[in-house]
Amino acid sequence: GENVEQHPSTLSVQEGDSAVIKCTYSDSASNYFPWYKQELGKGPQLIIDIRSNVGEKKDQRIAVTLNKTAKHFSLHITETQPEDSAVYFCAASNSNQFYFGTGTSLTVIP
Amino acid sequence: DAGITQSPRHKVTETGTPVTLRCHQTENHRYMYWYRQDPGHGLRLIHYSYGVKDTDKGEVSDGYSVSRSKTEDFLLTLESATSSQTSVYFCAISDMGTYNEQFFGPGTRLTVL
Repeated sequence: GENVEQHPSTLSVQEGDSAVIKCTYSDSASNYFPWYKQELGKGPQLIIDIRSNVGEKKDQRIAVTLNKTAKHFSLHITETQPEDSAVYFCAASNSNQFYFGTGTSLTVIP
Repeated sequence: DAGITQSPRHKVTETGTPVTLRCHQTENHRYMYWYRQDPGHGLRLIHYSYGVKDTDKGEVSDGYSVSRSKTEDFLLTLESATSSQTSVYFCAISDMGTYNEQFFGPGTRLTVL
């Protein structure tokens, strides 16, 4: 099956700085890569996603890049704000299942 | 927010007792999933359903069974709960399976003593 690794497990940044979270995957058949944000006591919520036929996607302060050759994808958050503090999960999906990374706890320091 | 509810939201039970968690959706999505979330493991798939009465195992299915008799309901059963099944359980739904976004419910915190 698929194996998704996510780094770092914790990340602290100053408000206004950028944050980068990286994930690697093992199955070259994976073709959809979502990123989820989970706030305390809630279920994960999609913030951005990318498909295997696209190298980069941006939505305001959030961007995702995908390198299919190297089998890695990254989440970039610019101009971080305190409300960006949460746990972020990457995921990869093949035809049957989603496989999630182990999560990154992001803290934005005001 | 997607119309997904989970019940109960919190449950404490004893080892060896049966437990059933319910996921209910109002979106008419075809696919439904049960995950467990544990520190250091992220979200791991237990079982999923791709239609009424159509289910399949995920990567951590041992000790769990599921049933889906209606589009809107997906039940997760622990036949004989063990302490290792103490976790937060999330239900998710999707209209296009693994080709599109999953929407997650609010979660059920289960403690097995």
